[in-house]
Amino acid sequence: SQQGEEDPQALSIQEGENATMNCSYKTSINNLQWYRQNSGRGLVHLILIRSNEREKHSGRLRVTLDTSKKSSSLLITASRAADTASYFCATGSGGSNYKLTFGKGTLLTVNP
Amino acid sequence: KAGVTQTPRYLIKTRGQQVTLSCSPISGHRSVSWYQQTPGQGLQFLFEYFSETQRNKGNFPGRFSGRQFSNSRSEMNVSTLELGDSALYLCASSSRTGGYSANTEAFFGQGTRLTVV
Repeated sequence: SQQGEEDPQALSIQEGENATMNCSYKTSINNLQWYRQNSGRGLVHLILIRSNEREKHSGRLRVTLDTSKKSSSLLITASRAADTASYFCATGSGGSNYKLTFGKGTLLTVNP
Repeated sequence: KAGVTQTPRYLIKTRGQQVTLSCSPISGHRSVSWYQQTPGQGLQFLFEYFSETQRNKGNFPGRFSGRQFSNSRSEMNVSTLELGDSALYLCASSSRTGGYSANTEAFFGQGTRLTVV
């Protein structure tokens, strides 16, 4: 079953605009990771945020985590056409049975 | 450092056949996990191997199996292929050693796209 649910399912913006994607989950987690996937290829790791962290930055990426609301957001600032891809959140949880559980993703289209 | 390498990149098989996919993790990583991605079900966890032992398994039938070698390379096998097994199979490598070191990134390969006809 899918733990993470991304919102929106699809997002279309113009180059230079900011893109915000949200992720909600259901159970307690160790961490939450965001990935990018281009056209059904491999997943590129973007950022990991631990359950005791509230915000992390990496270049043009900003991730927030609110464990009380069981939600996370990914902000891409000053988007570029090359950012066009599907973005997935994955929750890491399970202790000795640790695994990543993925949402269905947000398809981001950045128009030049 | 080289990334996660999966071979082959593409495969076409016939129903009833079996298939073996290979994954070489990032050097030094001992944890290898496998995921299946389909348009209908999304990304689903298959299993994780660590030091040649299966540590966790997802909700897949016994036709799906795997193993890990002493050099951490991993293979997964699907027997008696069905049309529904057509998917992108992704391998992830991590430096995670145990439950208390869960907060480590998982890096994925480019995947093997399996088509069953």
